[in-house]
Amino acid sequence: DAKTTQPTSMDCAEGRAANLPCNHSTISGNEYVYWYRQIHSQGPQYIIHGLKNNETNEMASLIITEDRKSSTLILPHATLRDTAVYYCIVRVVPGSARQLTFGSGTQLTVLP
Amino acid sequence: GAVVSQHPSRVICKSGTSVKIECRSLDFQATTMFWYRQFPKQSLMLMATSNEGSKATYEQGVEKDKFLINHASLTLSTLTVTSAHPEDSSFYICSASAGAATNEKLFFGSGTQLSVL
Repeated sequence: DAKTTQPTSMDCAEGRAANLPCNHSTISGNEYVYWYRQIHSQGPQYIIHGLKNNETNEMASLIITEDRKSSTLILPHATLRDTAVYYCIVRVVPGSARQLTFGSGTQLTVLP
Repeated sequence: GAVVSQHPSRVICKSGTSVKIECRSLDFQATTMFWYRQFPKQSLMLMATSNEGSKATYEQGVEKDKFLINHASLTLSTLTVTSAHPEDSSFYICSASAGAATNEKLFFGSGTQLSVL
C-alpha cells in the first residue's frame, strides 16, 4: 500500500471548518483513500473513503485531487469532540481482506 | 454501521499471568480479524491477522507463542497474552472484516488497555 504524509498536528477553532491534508504521491490506480480517526484511548473510527471522486457523508467531505496524489478531509463545523488523531490511509480494495496500515496521523485539536 | 465489541476495556495483571482479550463482531460475520498494538504516543502496529478456522498469520517480530490468537467462529476472535511482562503493557485493538467482497471498511473494537505490574 502507498505511503501517506500528513502534518503532525493542527489546530482549529470550534465551529470553523477543519481541513486536514494528506499527500499520497505514489498511490496506484486501484488504491482507495481512507480516513479514520482515533479519539484518545479508543479504537479508530471510520470517517470516509474514496477512489477518485469527491465524497461526502454525515461526518465529513473528502476532496481528492485530479491526479490523486493528495487529498483533504474537511470537517465542516468542527466541535470539541472532533479532537483526535486523524489517519489518512491508502489501501487496495476489494480483492482480499487486507489490514489497514497506520502512519503517524495528524493530531487535530479543536480549540474553544 | 457494523459493531465490533472488545472486552475487557482495561485489565491489570501481575507479571507472569495470562490475559485473554475477546473481540466480537455483533452484526456481521467476520471472516478476517486483525489485532493491533499501540504504545503511548505511537501509531497502531499490526500484530497478526486471523482467518476463521485457520491459523493466524503473525507480523515479523511478534511472538506467536506469546500472543495466542484463536478465531474459532465467524463472530469471535480471542487474543491471549501468555506469561505477560511489563513490556507487554500496551493498548490492544481488534478490527474485523466481513470478507473480501465487502471489506470496504474495517471496523474496530474500543481497545483493551493492558497494564502488567
